[in-house]
Amino acid sequence: QVQLVQSGAEVKKPGASVKVSCKASGYTFTGYFMHWVRQAPGQGLEWMGWINPISGGTEYAQKFQGRVTLTRDTSITTAYMELSRLSSDDTAVYYCARSTKSANGWIEDWGQGTLVTVSS
Amino acid sequence: DIQMTQSPSSLSASVGDRVTITCRASQYISNYLNWYQQKPGKAPKVLIYLASSLQSGVPSRFSGSASGPDFTLTITSLQPEDSATYYCQQTYRTPLTFGQGTRLEIK
Repeated sequence: QVQLVQSGAEVKKPGASVKVSCKASGYTFTGYFMHWVRQAPGQGLEWMGWINPISGGTEYAQKFQGRVTLTRDTSITTAYMELSRLSSDDTAVYYCARSTKSANGWIEDWGQGTLVTVSS
Repeated sequence: DIQMTQSPSSLSASVGDRVTITCRASQYISNYLNWYQQKPGKAPKVLIYLASSLQSGVPSRFSGSASGPDFTLTITSLQPEDSATYYCQQTYRTPLTFGQGTRLEIK
């Protein structure tokens, strides 16, 4: 079965960077787009971007352009999301999420989420 | 960006009731509209994709429909386990955007 296992919770200071990993198993890693979605406490879902694991191609929401970097390591079927210049507004649960085979497919599987807390 | 306006923001209904949640797109999105259910502390789960297709394993009391820019999620014969927050999402154009969510409470 498909599994997306994310790295553990992080506490960061304002201005720092965070890198969250997402280990995929149970499917062909390079065959499906991987998205990153975040959810601030008590708030809704916010799409950050996607990566095409076979090519490494990415697309980011304009809001995060210049601050977010999505990468992957196909040898260990792991995707990464790095967010820089953190502020308290970035405190949220970050999810990796596998969509169907096209970039505009629906999301079928989600990681368990990684809580990132930004606090001085 | 395509704005997804979801309504109502919350509702309360009883077991056995029929409820509808609506999502309106600010631009044309064809049928690239998905519905997700999220329970507290859990990741979302897809219910409906491409406006009206039921995801495998999802109970048939969930259904989706579309009429122009308006999309509807209907839950018939409401069950206690349907208490959750529901989100629509358009995947027609990036940035992919979600509605603000509808919190469903079971009386």
